Amino acid sequence: ETGVTQTPRHLVMGMTNKKSLKCEQHLGHNAMYWYKQSAKKPLELMFVYNFKEQTENNSVPSRFSPECPNSSHLFLHLHTLQPEDSALYLCASSQNRVMSNEQFFGPGTRLTVL
Amino acid sequence: AQTVTQSQPEMSVQEAETVTLSCTYDTSESDYYLFWYKQPPSRQMILVIRQEAYKQQNATENRFSVNFQKAAKSFSLKISDSQLGDAAMYFCAYRSVTGNQFYFGTGTSLTVIP
Repeated sequence: ETGVTQTPRHLVMGMTNKKSLKCEQHLGHNAMYWYKQSAKKPLELMFVYNFKEQTENNSVPSRFSPECPNSSHLFLHLHTLQPEDSALYLCASSQNRVMSNEQFFGPGTRLTVL
Repeated sequence: AQTVTQSQPEMSVQEAETVTLSCTYDTSESDYYLFWYKQPPSRQMILVIRQEAYKQQNATENRFSVNFQKAAKSFSLKISDSQLGDAAMYFCAYRSVTGNQFYFGTGTSLTVIP
């Protein structure tokens, strides 16, 4: 395991539901990321948090709302999603004081929107 | 933004043989970091190998090595003595020395044939 956990592992929701994805890292890292992984596409960076502050928001629709209460936890709140939002959502963390450091990934949440 | 291209969506290799996965990238920066990640089916993405652009020597990690051609902006991964456990999606990634973003390619699906 990489030290990054995600819950739930699988989620099926309707378009009118509200749900949240949770990510936790046990590595003492200061940066956390949300990615969307769809088949045959590059990983799409959604949000970046550095020391709990959001530093990147790559034009993500407002139906995705991130929250980073501390450096170890990251949430992605979901509401009124569309079927095209179905994908694997990956959380990652890194130690950005050392730029050569790689990202450590969680196992992902497989999201299906009906 | 930097782009990372993996031109081989799928590759296969006989067990115990050698395979090379291609990656090219586009950047105007002189210093950066490159990574190869492995994502086994239904398992977490993990780092395979990394290369600092300022180092001329190619990185090696056991059976994994890279061929880093800075002028050509090429970063291929060579897997020697392929094993069944090497079957996975492989992603090439670029990281700038500034900022928190990592840029990923679309991935290469590697099949190892017994």
